[in-house]
Amino acid sequence: QQQVKQSPQSLIVQKGGISIINCAYENTAFDYFPWYQQFPGKGPALLIAIRPDVSEKKEGRFTISFNKSAKQFSLHIMDSQPGDSATYFCAASPYNQGGKLIFGQGTELSVKP
Amino acid sequence: GAGVSQTPSNKVTEKGKYVELRCDPISGHTALYWYRQSLGQGPEFLIYFQGTGAADDSGLPNDRFFAVRPEGSVSTLKIQRTERGDSAVYLCASSLFSGGGNTGELFFGEGSRLTVL
Repeated sequence: QQQVKQSPQSLIVQKGGISIINCAYENTAFDYFPWYQQFPGKGPALLIAIRPDVSEKKEGRFTISFNKSAKQFSLHIMDSQPGDSATYFCAASPYNQGGKLIFGQGTELSVKP
Repeated sequence: GAGVSQTPSNKVTEKGKYVELRCDPISGHTALYWYRQSLGQGPEFLIYFQGTGAADDSGLPNDRFFAVRPEGSVSTLKIQRTERGDSAVYLCASSLFSGGGNTGELFFGEGSRLTVL
């Protein structure tokens, strides 16, 4: 019940294309859903986050879509660039425990020029 | 620097040895977290400090693992009698505050890569 399942494990996209990464969760107590970006040898960095009171959040080229009834959320990267090549992690945490994150397994994104 | 600082960046030790990993959080951040990231996996929560006290240590795998934050700033993760399965990157993160109103935004350090031979 604590798991967050992420797919795909790896993704190759052409420059300018749309990258889509999906996550699903079981625990209905989760109320904070961030996405983190991690480059090799670096720590994860917060990219964008959403709470379940909204169905979509957009920041620049990055959009989170959230489906509370299906317990699924996804990250869309529009106009993907080679510099976006990294590993992306979805995560979730229960109410009032925003820092105690349950991470997905990660998606290794490669954007080809 | 302004970010979370972790030392050492790399540590190679032999099975059975004791290791300490240090984390210096962002100045003013009261909440500090330790996570462990195995190769090809997402980070896993270990322990969380609010100030000097461990508010949640439910992620520590066993009693060989211990962490302290005596003055509410720098934290040390201590691993006794290391095993090969302890090999991983140990990440530290801090956030501005916790409890009610926590934004949940964690700022991670670059990690300490531990290799147990």
